Amino acid sequence: EIVMTQSPATLSVSLGERATLSCRASQSVSSNLAWYQQKPGQTPRLLIYGASTRATGIPARFSGSGSGTEFTLTISSLQSEDFAVYYCQQYNNWPPITFGQGTRLEIK
Amino acid sequence: EVQLVESGGGLVQPGGSLRLSCAASGFTFSNYRMNWVRQAPGKGLEWVSFITSSSNTIYYVDSVKGRFTISRDNANNLLYLQMTSLRDEDTAVYYCARDDGSGYRRLDYWGQGTLVTVSS
Repeated sequence: EIVMTQSPATLSVSLGERATLSCRASQSVSSNLAWYQQKPGQTPRLLIYGASTRATGIPARFSGSGSGTEFTLTISSLQSEDFAVYYCQQYNNWPPITFGQGTRLEIK
Repeated sequence: EVQLVESGGGLVQPGGSLRLSCAASGFTFSNYRMNWVRQAPGKGLEWVSFITSSSNTIYYVDSVKGRFTISRDNANNLLYLQMTSLRDEDTAVYYCARDDGSGYRRLDYWGQGTLVTVSS
C-alpha cells in the first residue's frame, strides 16, 4: 500500500497571499495524483488530477505540480472561500487508492 | 446535473448490520465505476470499496474484507454497501463517489454522505 504524507498539518495564510501545500508518496506514483478540497460540512471536491490538470470549473489560482513522490498544490492568491482541508490521493497503484491525512488551510 | 444521494445510515450496535444505498441521477450510471469512501469523525478520507460498471470487478480495503459487500442495480441507478459484523471503528460518514470515466481512479462526484454510528 502506498502511504501519502501531507505537510504541514495546518497552514495559516493571509487573504491574498500564496499557499503552498505538500504531498509525498512512499513510492513513485508517476503523475497519478489528485487533490481534493473539503470545506466544513461539505463533500470533497476534485480540484486537480494528473498532478497538474485542473478539474472542470476550478479557478486558475489553483495549480498542481510534481511527479514521482513529491507533489505541490499552490493557491496563488487566497480567497475567503479557499479556507478548507485539502487532501491528496494517489491512483497509480491500487487497490487501495490512498489519501493523505489532509492539510487544514486557515486564515492568518 | 450529476447527483448522488446516500441513505441507510444510523445507529447500530457492534456486531450489527446495515445496508447503505446511493441513488444516482443526471448521468448514465451503468457506464461508470463507483466507490464507497468513508470519513471517521474529525478524520481524513479512507477508500472502502470499488465496483466496475458491470460488477465484474470488486475491491475492498483490507479492514472490511469479509464483512462488507458492494453491489449495484444498473436498472434502477442504485449502488449499495451491505455492512455486517460492524465494529466501533466503522463509525464514519460514508460517501458514494464516482470514478470520472477516464479509466483512472479519480473521484469527480461525491454524495453528501450518510452517517453510520456503531455504538452500544
